[in-house]
Amino acid sequence: DAGVIQSPRHEVTEMGQEVTLRCKPISGHNSLFWYRQTMMRGLELLIYFNNNVPIDDSGMPEDRFSAKMPNASFSTLKIQPSEPRDSAVYFCASSLAGTGGYGYTFGSGTRLTVV
Amino acid sequence: GENVEQHPSTLSVQEGDSAVIKCTYSDSASNYFPWYKQELGKRPQLIIDIRSNVGEKKDQRIAVTLNKTAKHFSLHITETQPEDSAVYFCAAEVSGGGADGLTFGKGTHLIIQP
Repeated sequence: DAGVIQSPRHEVTEMGQEVTLRCKPISGHNSLFWYRQTMMRGLELLIYFNNNVPIDDSGMPEDRFSAKMPNASFSTLKIQPSEPRDSAVYFCASSLAGTGGYGYTFGSGTRLTVV
Repeated sequence: GENVEQHPSTLSVQEGDSAVIKCTYSDSASNYFPWYKQELGKRPQLIIDIRSNVGEKKDQRIAVTLNKTAKHFSLHITETQPEDSAVYFCAAEVSGGGADGLTFGKGTHLIIQP
């Protein structure tokens, strides 16, 4: 298995533009998580899905952020409009829930820079 | 919600010595506690985890201990090597089943001095 795959690896965009981050979880995993990492706030859970259904989006900072999981093998995190304070590394992680857990596996992340 | 505190934020040890990183959590319902290692520019990678029905777990030079009564858990690295230099994160999860997401500590930057 190729692991959790995220794209793009780097994204530089201008303030006000729409940004879409993509994630492909490990095949067979049924839970997917979006995290944001900054020096100031560390690793924050933004939203997570179980069996493609959003369970908790209380970590999403503002209405400018939205996430979808249309099927078991794909999820997107969208920021519209983007702002400089959204600059961070965004990680997607997946897990096999309900079996006692084998740990969360992280993707390589998307480094977002909003100028 | 859960809150995880991690100490110290930076730890410098001589190569060959031991390193200990400590975490406390607030939600007594938490029952899964993983530790992640993150090298510069890389993803967090799971190095060891422990569940609430176990007090200690060991994997070669790495061990984790859990005190549920006091709500704290610790990472112990013995015989440290240069490749152990990284940022280490502790985390806690309530369900223990991989379904609820992890709450992370702020991380410890471990520096191994040659």
